[in-house]
Amino acid sequence: DGGITQSPKYLFRKEGQNVTLSCEQNLNHDAMYWYRQDPGQGLRLIYYSQIVNDFQKGDIAEGYSVSREKKESFPLTVTSAQKNPTAFYLCASSIRSGTANTGELFFGEGSRLTVL
Amino acid sequence: GENVEQHPSTLSVQEGDSAVIKCTYSDSASNYFPWYKQELGKRPQLIIDIRSNVGEKKDQRIAVTLNKTAKHFSLHITETQPEDSAVYFCAGAFVLSGSARQLTFGSGTQLTVLP
Repeated sequence: DGGITQSPKYLFRKEGQNVTLSCEQNLNHDAMYWYRQDPGQGLRLIYYSQIVNDFQKGDIAEGYSVSREKKESFPLTVTSAQKNPTAFYLCASSIRSGTANTGELFFGEGSRLTVL
Repeated sequence: GENVEQHPSTLSVQEGDSAVIKCTYSDSASNYFPWYKQELGKRPQLIIDIRSNVGEKKDQRIAVTLNKTAKHFSLHITETQPEDSAVYFCAGAFVLSGSARQLTFGSGTQLTVLP
């Protein structure tokens, strides 16, 4: 059953702690993305990766870090430098990026992070 | 970079009526405009998209129109049903670097279909 899986679904963190959100896909997609969703602000791009061992900053990368050591995996670390980390985080993948026609995004079910 | 504005933020319609959601974009180079539907507690899913070489696209009860000159596009849902109630996001593809086109999303419209 192909798809994109995020974990954990809910996560609580104390201020000053780093936390890593997992994103795994078995769709054989080249491109993967992390979005942040806040009420009334739509989806904002944090980081994206077009191929293994390469990633680029999105619109709101400050306070976040990523890695892409495997095609299937694109974990996001929310660091203590992120000033307002409480949000809903969505991971997505697509067949390819870097072309004139961006492919359909397939989203995970999301991870809700709450900083206490 | 690209800026996509979406209106209205909330929309209530009676079951059977039509719903229209509008978006404007700033980057004239954008050439791909998808619409995503997010039901409560679920992931966003693509429902329809349009590319810049066409002005209108239909899929059963949903349609999207694009006006490249005015840089706006709209989602039309006819004969609305309760299961159409969701948050709808428009998006546009814009250039982040010389080789990549990434999506910028609008702020979303909460559509409620009243029985």
